[in-house]
Amino acid sequence: DAKTTQPNSMESNEEEPVHLPCNHSTISGTDYIHWYRQLPSQGPEYVIHGLTSNVNNRMASLAIAEDRKSSTLILHRATLRDAAVYYCILRDVGGGATNKLIFGTGTLLAVQP
Amino acid sequence: GAVVSQHPSRVICKSGTSVKIECRSLDFQATTMFWYRQFPKQSLMLMATSNEGSKATYEQGVEKDKFLINHASLTLSTLTVTSAHPEDSSFYICSAGSGNADTQYFGPGTRLTVL
Repeated sequence: DAKTTQPNSMESNEEEPVHLPCNHSTISGTDYIHWYRQLPSQGPEYVIHGLTSNVNNRMASLAIAEDRKSSTLILHRATLRDAAVYYCILRDVGGGATNKLIFGTGTLLAVQP
Repeated sequence: GAVVSQHPSRVICKSGTSVKIECRSLDFQATTMFWYRQFPKQSLMLMATSNEGSKATYEQGVEKDKFLINHASLTLSTLTVTSAHPEDSSFYICSAGSGNADTQYFGPGTRLTVL
């Protein structure tokens, strides 16, 4: 599975936008970029995913670089409830793929009031 | 989104006993379920992939005889930690997907403490 690199931690202020970066320089053509987040003492929660084009949903936006070697998760207005570990994961959907998710270390986002 | 439940949410047991953890997909049929383990301040580690009606596929380094996985129906997978020891104390999390579904849905986790 291709690896991703994320900063260990980031800080944000409440109601300000947050940009969480992820590098995936060895991404393959059949890798989707997935983002999950994990609040303390809970299971992970799906945030967003994409392949090539930028994506928006009610939780966040995903900006994908043209060469697909990096992406950015954007929280438009951070709230205290957004404090969590955010994981950027590549998921291969090519032939023979197992659909499993391999978690890296993620980015711990702290949100200050 | 889809709901996945786990039972129990926390369990404390004595060393040497076996513990069963259930993972249920409540509103969809899960052809594949995954089991993860997470130690404090660490990331999730995939233990095994469970496919309905067939044997589980274990990740390298995970003992299949110690962590028994059963996926007897499309809505239920169980993980049994056999002869548990204190080093097995961890947060166990399951997830469920449906075929080639783009997302996985995670359970709330089970906190296991082995005394």
